[in-house]
Amino acid sequence: DAMVIQNPRYQVTQFGKPVTLSCSQTLNHNVMYWYQQKSSQAPKLLFHYYDKDFNNEADTPDNFQSRRPNTSFCFLDIRSPGLGDAAMYLCATSRDGGQERKLFFGSGTQLSVL
Amino acid sequence: AQKITQTQPGMFVQEKEAVTLDCTYDTSDQSYGLFWYKQPSSGEMIFLIYQGSYDEQNATEGRYSLNFQKARKSANLVISASQLGDSAMYFCAMREAYQAGTALIFGKGTTLSVSS
Repeated sequence: DAMVIQNPRYQVTQFGKPVTLSCSQTLNHNVMYWYQQKSSQAPKLLFHYYDKDFNNEADTPDNFQSRRPNTSFCFLDIRSPGLGDAAMYLCATSRDGGQERKLFFGSGTQLSVL
Repeated sequence: AQKITQTQPGMFVQEKEAVTLDCTYDTSDQSYGLFWYKQPSSGEMIFLIYQGSYDEQNATEGRYSLNFQKARKSANLVISASQLGDSAMYFCAMREAYQAGTALIFGKGTTLSVSS
């Protein structure tokens, strides 16, 4: 029944070692988002894809990249993780059209940087 | 300026009592949506309730209702008959101007603790 699936649930990486987080969806939604959420803080939007169009937030560090090879999958790449990148990473989707525009979230990937 | 303000870092309530979580927002758009999400300690964001800016009636979903006061730019969440499982972080969020791919802007959240 899972609709937005994030793998892995927990990811440990080393300082400076590239890491990729993955997100897949079975909803056929055309918009996919990546949020970063640090402990006890609000989720912060990093970027989103509208279909194949990539939209980066102005304050998202260059260290963060994303790929969307098809409608169902989206990846978050952190090229050189720093200690400050330890956080929960949430993937979300939405369907363009209709008034509600609710976002559906995955369970998140908790990233630790050692 | 913050777009979404949640002034209550933590709230405590006993089972079966009602609780109101406050949210004020700031936007110059006429068309926007307001959302509440629940985030348990496991981390997933669970959608609770939605209110559109043009909706005249307050939204309700089971034990959740949204007290929407447009002139005051407030969208408080009311949980009736609290349950132990309601203990979680609650986020108010806004989506401005229904443009393609517009994301949610979140407040800082309120931690709700329900005791027996």
